[in-house]
Amino acid sequence: KQEVTQIPAALSVPEGENLVLNCSFTDSAIYNLQWFRQDPGKGLTSLLLIQSSQREQTSGRLNASLDKSSGRSTLYIAASQPGDSATYLCAVRPGGGADGLTFGKGTHLIIQP
Amino acid sequence: EAGVTQFPSHSVIEKGQTVTLRCDPISGHDNLYWYRRVMGKEIKFLLHFVKESKQDESGMPNNRFLAERTGGTYSTLKVQPAELEDSGVYFCASSQDRGHEQFFGPGTRLTVL
Repeated sequence: KQEVTQIPAALSVPEGENLVLNCSFTDSAIYNLQWFRQDPGKGLTSLLLIQSSQREQTSGRLNASLDKSSGRSTLYIAASQPGDSATYLCAVRPGGGADGLTFGKGTHLIIQP
Repeated sequence: EAGVTQFPSHSVIEKGQTVTLRCDPISGHDNLYWYRRVMGKEIKFLLHFVKESKQDESGMPNNRFLAERTGGTYSTLKVQPAELEDSGVYFCASSQDRGHEQFFGPGTRLTVL
């Protein structure tokens, strides 16, 4: 059974810092991995999708990497801003035809102005 | 382009009552997913439709939950009768093709008293 762990559970950093959020998964037989952000009381916003054959994806100040064999992904946020404050969720889609995502519990990020 | 919409945003019912949640996917998306998050836990997959067919309902907790997608457009998730442990946030997501990026709605917060 796939399990997804996100570390740290919470993080508070001053504005302008670069930071890394970690995601690990127990079963490396994944089809892809998706990073989301969730603002309080809102739905999930998709940030990046990495296919299992890819090593990384970039969107603006965000860079996500994937090391499928070791069961790890990182989300790198450059030059953090207060607007980046949110909960960041990692989710994996299994291989083998199933489509339901398995989520981690998330990292609650606060960027201090 | 409109995103995934869900109705209602909040629902408060008493134990034993029936509640029906609705999800309208992004237009043209054949794949529709239901997820839920109960307090303190990670988001969990419930089921997956491809058009009007249930592709995977392995995450449905029990037979008090009934999901439908007549005509392959919007979907409903009925809980009958509701129990206290059904409280949580129910999310709907859609994707254009299987394995593609999933886009989430804002969720329905269900409280069972």
